[in-house]
Amino acid sequence: SYELAQPPSVSVSPGQTARITCSGDALPMQFAYWYQQRPGQAPVLLIYKDSERPSGIPERFSGSTSGTIITLTISGVQAEDEADYYCQSTDSSGTSVFGTGTKVTVL
Amino acid sequence: QITLKESGPTLVKPTQTLTLTCTFSGFSLTTPGVGVGWIRQPPGKALEWLAVIYWSDDKRYSPSLKSRLTITKETSKNQVVLTMTNMDPVETATYYCALVIAESGDAFDIWGQGTMVTVSS
Repeated sequence: SYELAQPPSVSVSPGQTARITCSGDALPMQFAYWYQQRPGQAPVLLIYKDSERPSGIPERFSGSTSGTIITLTISGVQAEDEADYYCQSTDSSGTSVFGTGTKVTVL
Repeated sequence: QITLKESGPTLVKPTQTLTLTCTFSGFSLTTPGVGVGWIRQPPGKALEWLAVIYWSDDKRYSPSLKSRLTITKETSKNQVVLTMTNMDPVETATYYCALVIAESGDAFDIWGQGTMVTVSS
């Protein structure tokens, strides 16, 4: 089955830049999406179609892609950005899968 | 304002069938490009994509769960129902429903609050 791999954790100091990667064989051919999930809350869509931001999402969140790896970049990290982050993509049959998730810790 | 809310049993026994209902407002499942999906998350673990149903009645299922899942829509009631047969304790999780809009691709734009389901005898 299709899998998306993420690093389990990323630590970053306030004001610095955090980069979270997600790797998958089909990523060059399919769009990717990113979600933020704070403890006890439902996920929130951060990025769609690789690099588009929904309205209301701060500009410090950005998405990029390079081959089989997609990256979520959080610029100028704030304490409120401490959360779990998940990527999502779809395979050729139209079914989706989520990544393994990355816990971002703000030091 | 778009909202989605999950409802169903909080406790099911192993081997039983789970039936969850997603009741939504602020959009219609008759609008082209719209879909509603289900996602679950065991405590402390990652999200798992389960199924999506679209305005056209097109349905997509997780390949690993396809034989046990059924997703249907009741457009007049603004509801989507997910049934999962032969439940196992490892499937104790929070189950979410969420909105899919074609403009966003396959992304889940708006999520419900989730409902916790425990599978135990």
